[in-house]
Amino acid sequence: AQSVTQLGSHVSVSEGALVLLRCNYSSSVPPYLFWYVQYPNQGLQLLLKYTSAATLVKGINGFEAEFKKSETSFHLTKPSAHMSDAAEYFCAVRGPKGAQKLVFGQGTRLTINP
Amino acid sequence: NAGVTQTPKFQVLKTGQSMTLQCAQDMNHEYMSWYRQDPGMGLRLIHYSVGAGITDQGEVPNGYNVSRSTTEDFPLRLLSAAPSQTSVYFCASSYSAGVNTGELFFGEGSRLTVL
Repeated sequence: AQSVTQLGSHVSVSEGALVLLRCNYSSSVPPYLFWYVQYPNQGLQLLLKYTSAATLVKGINGFEAEFKKSETSFHLTKPSAHMSDAAEYFCAVRGPKGAQKLVFGQGTRLTINP
Repeated sequence: NAGVTQTPKFQVLKTGQSMTLQCAQDMNHEYMSWYRQDPGMGLRLIHYSVGAGITDQGEVPNGYNVSRSTTEDFPLRLLSAAPSQTSVYFCASSYSAGVNTGELFFGEGSRLTVL
């Protein structure tokens, strides 16, 4: 069955520091993987997605993620955090019945310290 | 440029009451879905639809009904509200095929409290 595990429900970094949000997946089919971001009182929006092309995926707002099959990981990174990056981040994997039916992780709340 | 529109944004119900959460999209997406978001549990799929007249259950369908009479609309009905249904509900839509499959467009959410 498809599932994702996000390591750390809360991550706090200083402005300008590296952001690293961890995601490990389990999938019985070649995985399609996604990162979504949710700003306060808003819906989720797509940051980036991996669909079996390049293993290093670049997204919006300077974020990128690397697909590592050997580690079943899809960690999200950003070299330098900005205050506006404070949000909740969700990793997701394609569900068992098709690409649209995403299975989401528990979410990681990112706090940026000035 | 409306995207996915959900109404109402907030609702308080008493146990046993029924209500409908509305969802409409103007992107001509074939696929529409409802998720609920609870603290520490991420988003869980309630029901989904791959086109008008076609619906199916997701991970947590009990206590909810859906229908899809048009491409644009996908209402979620709570038949007899229970406190366990207190949550934030999100409607999301997507293309069913092609390179953008899996890119869900979300509404802003409907916060439901059941007393």
